[in-house]
Amino acid sequence: GAGVSQTPSNKVTEKGKYVELRCDPISGHTALYWYRQSLGQGPEFLIYFQGTGAADDSGLPNDRFFAVRPEGSVSTLKIQRTERGDSAVYLCASSVGRADTQYFGPGTRLTVL
Amino acid sequence: KQEVTQIPAALSVPEGENLVLNCSFTDSAIYNLQWFRQDPGKGLTSLLLIQSSQREQTSGRLNASLDKSSGRSTLYIAASQPGDSATYLCAVGSTNAGKSTFGDGTTLTVKP
Repeated sequence: GAGVSQTPSNKVTEKGKYVELRCDPISGHTALYWYRQSLGQGPEFLIYFQGTGAADDSGLPNDRFFAVRPEGSVSTLKIQRTERGDSAVYLCASSVGRADTQYFGPGTRLTVL
Repeated sequence: KQEVTQIPAALSVPEGENLVLNCSFTDSAIYNLQWFRQDPGKGLTSLLLIQSSQREQTSGRLNASLDKSSGRSTLYIAASQPGDSATYLCAVGSTNAGKSTFGDGTTLTVKP
């Protein structure tokens, strides 16, 4: 079956611009996670959704970052006023429930010039 | 705050060798622990998931163990192959929230 997909695969933007990153989870998975990964490091947790609600957003670094999942399926990570330090690979994962295996998408590489 | 450490950062072994990768965590109140592999420029592939009530899980040549009291997990790879070359990451699930905390990984190279 189809895995987790993320679009775009690459995004280059200028400092100060707004970006949206999209995640399509595996059908039927109620849990959805966003992480970001810098070179040579493990993924850093950003936010966890259970259904439509953000059950844990403790990893969002500041109020420039926001994520939604309005219908409990597709999720969008939104970053306002991008900064060069936001450059990273943004990973999305989904699982049947919180206790279950997380399946990751291929990621979106964000570069802020 | 949960901290996850993976040592060594890199490991090189000859083909056919059995090996152990280590993952340690500071807070034993965990929900679960998951091992992943990541190939260069790729996403993460799940290998094994251990729930907090379990001691180990096995899949093929892989065996993962969990000792919550000592804050340790190991991933055992039997009869290593060049195709096992990748970065191996462990992730610890929090009991109080949905977050998972990752280590920085061990990069494994298996030489033919």
